[in-house]
Amino acid sequence: NAGVTQTPKFQVLKTGQSMTLQCAQDMNHNSMYWYRQDPGMGLRLIYYSASEGTTDKGEVPNGYNVSRLNKREFSLRLESAAPSQTSVYFCASSDVQETQYFGPGTRLLVL
Amino acid sequence: AQSVTQPDIHITVSEGASLELRCNYSYGATPYLFWYVQSPGQGLQLLLKYFSGDTLVQGIKGFEAEFKRSQSSFNLRKPSVHWSDAAEYFCAVGGNNFNKFYFGSGTKLNVKP
Repeated sequence: NAGVTQTPKFQVLKTGQSMTLQCAQDMNHNSMYWYRQDPGMGLRLIYYSASEGTTDKGEVPNGYNVSRLNKREFSLRLESAAPSQTSVYFCASSDVQETQYFGPGTRLLVL
Repeated sequence: AQSVTQPDIHITVSEGASLELRCNYSYGATPYLFWYVQSPGQGLQLLLKYFSGDTLVQGIKGFEAEFKRSQSSFNLRKPSVHWSDAAEYFCAVGGNNFNKFYFGSGTKLNVKP
């Protein structure tokens, strides 16, 4: 039981490049989330998916898109990366009691 | 508006001393409250949670937290801190709508030998 896994662990992009962050969970959770973590700002919700086939915007969705590929997988795409998107990205999934379980994070640097 | 405030950005305590990390929340409905811990370079690990019932909840690693509705607080405590407790701690509040889940900005704990 791996919990929540994320790939890649670290990525460097140039401004304007695109990339997709992958997330998978093996806990049979319905809900999945993408957060970004910036110093002094805690975690901010980018997008979430209440169930397979549905996605909704969180607090900071601009510049991102998501896909809930199936119940296990939830990907985050940056179409045209900007330096302001340099951050640590966390994927999470939750059970029916709304307890969220987090992946190890992806560290993204946009030059 | 919903929010979580952790007023202490950094705290330093001596090993063996007691610890209290503060958390205040603003939430328009019955809150679900959480404390998470993050070690350097790692993801967030759930320490404890409060949904209802006894206002004093026990968590992992010897931590506990007390929900005080009148003060809108959910402070985290530990009687005797260990060097391995050095990490960043996040308080979070949510409800029965998963999209209404808010994190505080975190408190970094340093432990002196």
